[in-house]
Amino acid sequence: DSGVTQTPKHLITATGQRVTLRCSPRSGDLSVYWYQQSLDQGLQFLIQYYNGEERAKGNILERFSAQQFPDLHSELNLSSLELGDSALYFCASSVGQGVRTGELFFGEGSRLTVL
Amino acid sequence: DQQVKQNSPSLSVQEGRISILNCDYTNSMFDYFLWYKKYPAEGPTFLISISSIKDKNEDGRFTVFLNKSAKHLSLHIVPSQPGDSAVYFCAASANSGAQKLVFGQGTRLTINP
Repeated sequence: DSGVTQTPKHLITATGQRVTLRCSPRSGDLSVYWYQQSLDQGLQFLIQYYNGEERAKGNILERFSAQQFPDLHSELNLSSLELGDSALYFCASSVGQGVRTGELFFGEGSRLTVL
Repeated sequence: DQQVKQNSPSLSVQEGRISILNCDYTNSMFDYFLWYKKYPAEGPTFLISISSIKDKNEDGRFTVFLNKSAKHLSLHIVPSQPGDSAVYFCAASANSGAQKLVFGQGTRLTINP
């Protein structure tokens, strides 16, 4: 158990819909990262927050948005869903701002299926 | 553009032998490399890392080798154990984007008894 909690674990929805994925980081971790893993692909970095502020952005679509709340949990919002958005979405957390200040701890992921 | 590549989708090794997983990268700005291990229905877990100022880092049965001129790194597991059966991801970061890890596609390692 990494200490990172993601909900829901599985989600099935239709094209055009909007979903919210939630992540609670490990106790004491200030950074939250979101990654997307499509079928047979590596993890693609989406976005990072540190103590409530956006710190780094990857190839995140405009239809996607995220935020980190004062209690440090984070939400990833995916809207106008398309079939290609079906993927495993991982949240990770770390103590510091960068991967060199400590390893990333990943949650079990949220599997999104868009029909 | 796949900046980090793991060209072997799968690898099968006999228990007790050495497992060698390979990873190639194209971005010369990468200067920090990590290996993560993933079991089914779990998130990736950190295994071992190496900075570009080194060419080898060892932690128990796991050793990572870095060849900067070839832009190649490898993970050696010796001796291999059944519990090592998992998907292994190679990842890299550049100092300018220290928050962002670029992952390879993963290699599924199966250790046969």
